[in-house]
Amino acid sequence: QLVLTQSPSASASLGASVKLTCTLSSGHSRYAIAWHQQQPEKGPRYLMNLNSDGSHTKGDGIPDRFSGSSSGAERYLTISSLQSEDEADYYCQTWGTGIQVFGGGTKLTVL
Amino acid sequence: EVQLLESGGGLVQPGGSLRLSCAASGFTFSSYAMNWVRQAPGKGLEWVSTISGSGGSTYHADSVKGRFTISRDNSKNTLYLQMNSLRAEDTAVFYCAKGGALPVAEPFDYWGQGTLVTVSS
Repeated sequence: QLVLTQSPSASASLGASVKLTCTLSSGHSRYAIAWHQQQPEKGPRYLMNLNSDGSHTKGDGIPDRFSGSSSGAERYLTISSLQSEDEADYYCQTWGTGIQVFGGGTKLTVL
Repeated sequence: EVQLLESGGGLVQPGGSLRLSCAASGFTFSSYAMNWVRQAPGKGLEWVSTISGSGGSTYHADSVKGRFTISRDNSKNTLYLQMNSLRAEDTAVFYCAKGGALPVAEPFDYWGQGTLVTVSS
């Protein structure tokens, strides 16, 4: 079964960096994923598509502070130089035969 | 500029029906798969349905299969979600999202602002 697992919460200080993790279920380690950001009371925003080799393609207007990387079944989103507007929920997404799957989301708090 | 504008949400009684619409602009609508995603109050994102660019292929989550139907009118650049036999657990904000050229094979790269559906007596 295709499942994405995310930690429910993370925190980091203003100006620092943070690395969020999305883990693919067993047998799906080569799947690409996407990262989305959802700021409070807003619709989601596409950040990037991230492949198993770590290559990624960002969405329109996404700052260089956002980057992606991969290791095995884990997909990472790194946000550097954290700003207050980065405080948001972050979701990973993948797709399989006839289905789309979202992770449970990580709530990022900027201290 | 890609724009997705959902409409049609509201309050409906359990067992009732509702049709959501999503007006799209800023891209060649018929060339891309389109999707519905919902978010229950205080919860995460849940994929609901996907339709191919031509409309010839559709996919639904098990939780809505047999009750919800996704469709599109490429002449009007509009996506629809017909929701029947609504339940309290269907209460959510429904988002329209643009997919890639291939359905269920590419990420959602643009999202609307959502429309709220409340199922309650």
